[in-house]
Amino acid sequence: EAGVTQSPTHLIKTRGQQATLRCSPISGHTSVYWYQQALGLGLQFLLWYDEGEERNRGNFPPRFSGRQFPNYSSELNVNALELEDSALYLCASSPRYRGFLDEQFFGPGTRLTVL
Amino acid sequence: GEDVEQSLFLSVREGDSSVINCTYTDSSSTYLYWYKQEPGAGLQLLTYIFSNMDMKQDQRLTVLLNKKDKHLSLRIADTQTGDSAIYFCAGPIMNSGYSTLTFGKGTMLLVSP
Repeated sequence: EAGVTQSPTHLIKTRGQQATLRCSPISGHTSVYWYQQALGLGLQFLLWYDEGEERNRGNFPPRFSGRQFPNYSSELNVNALELEDSALYLCASSPRYRGFLDEQFFGPGTRLTVL
Repeated sequence: GEDVEQSLFLSVREGDSSVINCTYTDSSSTYLYWYKQEPGAGLQLLTYIFSNMDMKQDQRLTVLLNKKDKHLSLRIADTQTGDSAIYFCAGPIMNSGYSTLTFGKGTMLLVSP
């Protein structure tokens, strides 16, 4: 069974540009989570989508946005890139939310570098 | 303070036991998790423990949970160089009516031969 996949593996952008990161969950999973892992800050929760709806978002500015498609894949968009957005962006998936958090399965991440 | 706190670094010799500690604040946590991240890779679930358990053993891994002190630990017996990685503890924290998995900053484990 294929795991969570993310693309691209690496992304290099300049300040002010926009970045789009993609995630495909494990087949049958409807929940997708996005995390930012910046150096020295650990994992910070960004966004959570379940069955096409945004369920929750972390303490990030509105220029971080995303969506989930009917096939449950997801995009994370970061507008007006800043240098401090340079980080590893991890996507995770889990089965449909049933009122409690299930185990999350992580993808390998997209390394975003902002110059 | 942070919702989930961990020590940042641990160095051990091959063959020794490693103990990684974590404290959390949310007393309603139902599951608590340990994830492992190897260099350049995503996170891999190592083990988890239900909040109604005190201990869970899984081969070389032992998880201890002290609910009174909100303290979680991961013990790795006979630590190997391949265990060198960053270890994250994580637990659900209520946020705007939903549980969100909150991670500690991670403990870097360095195993020397």
